[in-house]
Amino acid sequence: QQQVKQSPQSLIVQKGGISIINCAYENTAFDYFPWYQQFPGKGPALLIAIRPDVSEKKEGRFTISFNKSAKQFSLHIMDSQPGDSATYFCAATRGSGGSNYKLTFGKGTLLTVNP
Amino acid sequence: EAGVVQSPRYKIIEKKQPVAFWCNPISGHNTLYWYRQNLGQGPELLIRYENEEAVDDSQLPKDRFSAERLKGVDSTLKIQPAELGDSAVYLCASSLGPAGAEQYFGPGTRLTVT
Repeated sequence: QQQVKQSPQSLIVQKGGISIINCAYENTAFDYFPWYQQFPGKGPALLIAIRPDVSEKKEGRFTISFNKSAKQFSLHIMDSQPGDSATYFCAATRGSGGSNYKLTFGKGTLLTVNP
Repeated sequence: EAGVVQSPRYKIIEKKQPVAFWCNPISGHNTLYWYRQNLGQGPELLIRYENEEAVDDSQLPKDRFSAERLKGVDSTLKIQPAELGDSAVYLCASSLGPAGAEQYFGPGTRLTVT
């Protein structure tokens, strides 16, 4: 059972454009939603994360939008740059109050930003 | 601050051979995770340690996989015997204790079983 569904599988964006990656989750107990960026040959690196008490979080060019009722969240990369070309993973877990910190990952989105 | 260290970075072995991976977490991080990442997929948790205790090993194939974290710092993940389907990247991650959910990943060990 895939608890976090991510789309699209791949995305090509022109430099300066907006990249949008979407995720949907099933487990209503999830309360922590991080995004990870992974370059080839490297481990995933935490990019930005959100908790369901807010609907949006922005850090520089990266914004997470969160819709609790729809059980969906998305990553927006503004002014996309060739250096942003990487695989992006959304994830979800119970991050507070519980003993389970198992991250459930989406399948990833390969982002290519053309110069 | 040094990140999560893993070794070796790459390993090629024949099927039925044993293999071991080593991980040194970020200093002060009590929680350590081992993940497996298949090609084109997200990481999947194999085992989670809180200090020396394995608190979640439900996804670890115990017939051939084993792990240890004897002193609550470094950890070793072993496969014996390896199968073709074990080819993957094995990632180690660490985080602060139960109050912290942010997990920091090492570069991984790419295992190829021939």
